[in-house]
Amino acid sequence: SAVISQKPSRDICQRGTSLTIQCQVDSQVTMMFWYRQQPGQSLTLIATANQGSEATYESGFVIDKFPISRPNLTFSTLTVSNMSPEDSSIYLCSVEVVSTEAFFGQGTRLTVV
Amino acid sequence: SQQGEEDPQALSIQEGENATMNCSYKTSINNLQWYRQNSGRGLVHLILIRSNEREKHSGRLRVTLDTSKKSSSLLITASRAADTASYFCATDEGGTYKYIFGTGTRLKVLA
Repeated sequence: SAVISQKPSRDICQRGTSLTIQCQVDSQVTMMFWYRQQPGQSLTLIATANQGSEATYESGFVIDKFPISRPNLTFSTLTVSNMSPEDSSIYLCSVEVVSTEAFFGQGTRLTVV
Repeated sequence: SQQGEEDPQALSIQEGENATMNCSYKTSINNLQWYRQNSGRGLVHLILIRSNEREKHSGRLRVTLDTSKKSSSLLITASRAADTASYFCATDEGGTYKYIFGTGTRLKVLA
């Protein structure tokens, strides 16, 4: 299993600013994933973060808007840049332990005003 | 990638009744997972079923998987008010580690 800690748990930000979300795992994992959940919607994968390489972004998401760092096997950050109210969502990080379930953090609830 | 579909979108039942949710997906999978989310908080893993399994039980939960129809169902028996939540299925896209989530079912259990 894996225990994931996400910070901050929630934040209210001004439009035009940026927020960096941290994800810490209690064990070394190869892949970490970042998801977005817009209000009332399901989860959408933003990108896959591998240690030692650039993140791989899904269609509709770009590095300039959502830069990701993965400095080691237990930590990753997602930055939401130049925020607008449309970025108000829950952002979740996830890891998968091989051949078992994916583990999720509790999420970061972001409100952009 | 395309999201899976879940139905119903919303379900309201009385405490003690059973709740059934269905999930359909589009690609081949290694496994399918069900999650619960309370009031927009983090996801709680409920159960994982592998592509070579047809049925799995965990407490009051029963999951079935039909890979020929690319569908799964989650049955919650003897529901409780505390089961009120949104339920999502998730599949590993084409057997990768990327999970595609269904649209979710909002379950409300009335006391």
